[in-house]
Amino acid sequence: QSALTQPPSASGSPGQSVSISCTGTSSDVGGYNYVSWYQQHPGKAPKLMIYEVNKRPSGVPDRFSGSKSGNTASLTVSGLQAEDEADYYCNSYAGSNSWVFGGGTKLTVL
Amino acid sequence: QAQLVQSGAEVKEPGASVKVSCKASDYTFTDYGIIWVRQAPGQGLEWMGWISTYNGNTNYAQRLQGRVTLTTDTSTSTAYMELRSLRSDDTAVYYCAKKGSDLEFDPWGQGTLVTVSS
Repeated sequence: QSALTQPPSASGSPGQSVSISCTGTSSDVGGYNYVSWYQQHPGKAPKLMIYEVNKRPSGVPDRFSGSKSGNTASLTVSGLQAEDEADYYCNSYAGSNSWVFGGGTKLTVL
Repeated sequence: QAQLVQSGAEVKEPGASVKVSCKASDYTFTDYGIIWVRQAPGQGLEWMGWISTYNGNTNYAQRLQGRVTLTTDTSTSTAYMELRSLRSDDTAVYYCAKKGSDLEFDPWGQGTLVTVSS
């Protein structure tokens, strides 16, 4: 159960778009459409932002979107806002009631 | 609105055990599983395990097999995570979360800090 690979950092100016990648294998990301993304502000619990690759829970702005191609999933944040600055973690189902997280990406709004 | 409330911070000596609780409210507890995740200081999220609140089936992360046990008490809608033979690198914030029907984790508990120190 190796962690999914995310870039350690990403950044963008207010109003810009930024994408964060999440690379796994055919046993997790590539094998299931159960990729989710979580936002975590310092000292807070993670918050669900995207599930099933590209679905948004109610209350999450439509500036957040998800996609997947092969073994790589991506989270895109459009129209960056200051409050989007946080850590982002991808997660994938890996079969047999097991899951794996990515290492996390620190998003900085310049 | 589903909610999960966890027990308070713990300080344990190396070799001891800790048991963290996670009380669910405002949804039918046995309709959704519970997962546990931990986060060491300054580190990322680590999936620890899953428990079916319907029948008690479990699955644990390989690296924690043999040291972690997940249980539930359906009469009080509470899930428990017990970790034994604690080491200093078990110092972390431990979270529970409700596993939804689309395998998403939402909501999360507020987290419980477990500090392992002599």
